[in-house]
Amino acid sequence: GDSVTQMEGPVTLSEEAFLTINCTYTATGYPSLFWYVQYPGEGLQLLLKATKADDKGSNKGFEATYRKETTSFHLEKGSVQVSDSAVYFCALTPGTSYGKLTFGQGTILTVHP
Amino acid sequence: GAVVSQHPSWVICKSGTSVKIECRSLDFQATTMFWYRQFPKQSLMLMATSNEGSKATYEQGVEKDKFLINHASLTLSTLTVTSAHPEDSSFYICSATGTGGAYTQYFGPGTRLTVL
Repeated sequence: GDSVTQMEGPVTLSEEAFLTINCTYTATGYPSLFWYVQYPGEGLQLLLKATKADDKGSNKGFEATYRKETTSFHLEKGSVQVSDSAVYFCALTPGTSYGKLTFGQGTILTVHP
Repeated sequence: GAVVSQHPSWVICKSGTSVKIECRSLDFQATTMFWYRQFPKQSLMLMATSNEGSKATYEQGVEKDKFLINHASLTLSTLTVTSAHPEDSSFYICSATGTGGAYTQYFGPGTRLTVL
């Protein structure tokens, strides 16, 4: 079946550091890929998405590129802020099952001043 | 906009009792709602998908008689854990989609269930 694997956390960075959170997936067909973020005490929010190969999703300074050849969708940000501290989830929906999300295990990010 | 609430945020119950969790879309009509379960330090696992006015579709391995889902209106879905046991203790999260399509899934804050 479909699966999503994220890098192990937690990740701890200083403010203005570069962030990469790795995400790889296994799926049949042509899935859509997502990054969700969960801030403390809140529900998951869609951060960015990409629906086909080579698409780049971006939002709030975060970027991720859909790489079909490496089945990856790594999340990057050039300069993190304390307010970026949260749990980040990589997810996919199969091309044939619109809306059914398969999540990675989540990566806790803590940014220190 | 697009807020989803859950109630209660946490609940403790005795083994053998039933617990109902509500999921509401506060400012939009949710054509489809999803229920997820999350174990500590693990990812969210989809339990079931419900469409307003029809029976829920359960994922493989999820007992539909144990986890009763009702989606009676476009703004409310409920998950009832029947005859709860300690192994049902978990974090339950709902999400909803509206006219924005399934790519735009709005998540509730979750409900922590502890069964003693």
